[in-house]
Amino acid sequence: DTGVSQNPRHKITKRGQNVTFRCDPISEHNRLYWYRQTLGQGPEFLTYFQNEAQLEKSRLLSDRFSAERPKGSFSTLEIQRTEQGDSAMYLCASSLFRYRVDGLSNTGELFFGEGSRLTVL
Amino acid sequence: GENVEQHPSTLSVQEGDSAVIKCTYSDSASNYFPWYKQELGKRPQLIIDIRSNVGEKKDQRIAVTLNKTAKHFSLHITETQPEDSAVYFCAASPYNNNDMRFGAGTRLTVKP
Repeated sequence: DTGVSQNPRHKITKRGQNVTFRCDPISEHNRLYWYRQTLGQGPEFLTYFQNEAQLEKSRLLSDRFSAERPKGSFSTLEIQRTEQGDSAMYLCASSLFRYRVDGLSNTGELFFGEGSRLTVL
Repeated sequence: GENVEQHPSTLSVQEGDSAVIKCTYSDSASNYFPWYKQELGKRPQLIIDIRSNVGEKKDQRIAVTLNKTAKHFSLHITETQPEDSAVYFCAASPYNNNDMRFGAGTRLTVKP
């Protein structure tokens, strides 16, 4: 396994078009996250899945954004009717999450993909 | 929700000096605090993390300290080297790691 992979790496589109990004996580990881990163900022949480269930969505995620992880493996992030403000790097990350007997989460390291850079003209 | 603030935004040090980056968080439920390093054009990678049941953790030249009462944690890099130059992000996550929030990042430059 070579890690988290994302494609396409770069996408240039015109305003109003739809785009879709794909993320293939590390195979044994049960959690998959989507983040958005703009220049000079840290990654902003968008949404995450545990297996095929989408457990949380950020308020940043407008109704133009939709994410799926149908079989609990790869995930897609679709942006409909793109706007110039959607231009950013979209990062996917995966982790192996387990509960610990001491009540703390055995939070696994997030392994990030290389990202998909979106430019909306 | 959680709010993570990181300072400074840029930091320049001479090779061999120490570098310290500080973060504060707002959600007392946060119990996991990782630090990620992102080199130009590359993905963020975990360099060290700390959980709320310990106050300090070291890994060679890197250490992280946590003050739960004050809700702040810091990254310490000793004997800095040019290859330490990168953007460093702190993050905080509550129980379940369901919403990890990142700081805005610190661009560290180590001058040879």
